[in-house]
Amino acid sequence: AQSVSQHNHHVILSEAASLELGCNYSYGGTVNLFWYVQYPGQHLQLLLKYFSGDPLVKGIKGFEAEFIKSKFSFNLRKPSVQWSDTAEYFCAVNGYGNNRLAFGKGNQVVVIP
Amino acid sequence: KAGVTQTPRYLIKTRGQQVTLSCSPISGHRSVSWYQQTPGQGLQFLFEYFSETQRNKGNFPGRFSGRQFSNSRSEMNVSTLELGDSALYLCASSLDGRSDAYEQYFGPGTRLTVT
Repeated sequence: AQSVSQHNHHVILSEAASLELGCNYSYGGTVNLFWYVQYPGQHLQLLLKYFSGDPLVKGIKGFEAEFIKSKFSFNLRKPSVQWSDTAEYFCAVNGYGNNRLAFGKGNQVVVIP
Repeated sequence: KAGVTQTPRYLIKTRGQQVTLSCSPISGHRSVSWYQQTPGQGLQFLFEYFSETQRNKGNFPGRFSGRQFSNSRSEMNVSTLELGDSALYLCASSLDGRSDAYEQYFGPGTRLTVT
């Protein structure tokens, strides 16, 4: 079965600081990887995705993530956060050809102005 | 293009009752998945429907069921409600069938409170 681990569930940082959220997954085959964001009072939105190709993927709002197959990781980064990045971030994985998403527990990120 | 819509947005039920939640996918999307979100368990996959057939099922008891109609709209039903069923129920739709078609788009959810 697929499983996803996210650490540091609560992150507090100041504006302009850099953000890195870790994501490790467990799955025995080819995977698709995603980062979703849930802003306060809003629904889950896709930040970025990896299906194949360049392991460094860029998403919306200046976010990027790197897929490291040997480490089963898909870490999310943003060089300089803004107050508007305050949200909960979820890493998710599904097996290729399978719509069943397994989510991590999420990272609650608070950016202080 | 309109997003995924879910109705109702909020529901309050009592233990033992049953409830039906509805989801309308993005136009053209044929796959609909349901997820339960709780503070303790996070986001958990319930089931997926594609072309009116259940294609995937998560580890939930048989009280949780669903169906999909020919226009891809989906409903999920929970019978004999328990307090632990209080959660945000999310619906997600995707195109399916092509290389980048596994991206799922989520609706706003239905907040179910069981008292």
